[in-house]
Amino acid sequence: EIVMTQTPLSLSATPGQPASISCKSSQSLVYRDGKTYLYWYVQKAGQSPQLLIYEVSKRFSGVPDRFSGSGSGTDFTLKISRVEADDVGVYYCMQSMQLPWTFGQGTKVEVK
Amino acid sequence: EVQLVESGGGLVQPGGSLRLSCAASGFNVRSNYMTWVRQAPRKGLEWVSIMYSDGQTYYADSVKGRFTIFRDNSKNTVYLQMKSLGGEDSAIYYCARPLGDVARDGMDIWGQGTTVTVSS
Repeated sequence: EIVMTQTPLSLSATPGQPASISCKSSQSLVYRDGKTYLYWYVQKAGQSPQLLIYEVSKRFSGVPDRFSGSGSGTDFTLKISRVEADDVGVYYCMQSMQLPWTFGQGTKVEVK
Repeated sequence: EVQLVESGGGLVQPGGSLRLSCAASGFNVRSNYMTWVRQAPRKGLEWVSIMYSDGQTYYADSVKGRFTIFRDNSKNTVYLQMKSLGGEDSAIYYCARPLGDVARDGMDIWGQGTTVTVSS
């Protein structure tokens, strides 16, 4: 099983300032098709998870360009360029390169 | 509009069974795969099961032998049959559909979830 490790587990962000979350996988998420199967989701209070980023760096439809993903192999980062109050939630990375699909522990983002 | 609506959750005694449903609209559940993910109270997300378009199914070790995923194409619905339930199975259960048509594509649309509580 691929273990996904997120850091930090919580962060208090300042509106207008950047914030970033790290996600490390226990093995490479690059499949033989050349794609890297790393996803980022956010779960806001009382809601289902919502897709933010797919395949490391591709923003899902409707996701503000304040959100960006980067990384390769086993090390990945989600960045929010300018945090807004609406960004409060728990952020998860997920790998779908190999079954069982696995999630990071989640990073709780609060906005000051 | 693409939509997933789960139902079937509820209170069940330890050792009991429950069948969850995930009714899809706006797309065909036979395409690529359908998957279930759960979230125990105040915990993170845990992948549970997947059913591919060719009928292949896979399960997390924690539910293998107790849970069965299947679909009814005529109803465009995916199910999760759960048996021998224990307290560790108490969770919100979400169904989700794939972003694309590649087997390893992650999920884009999730249902609202249905809550399963295992307690005497």
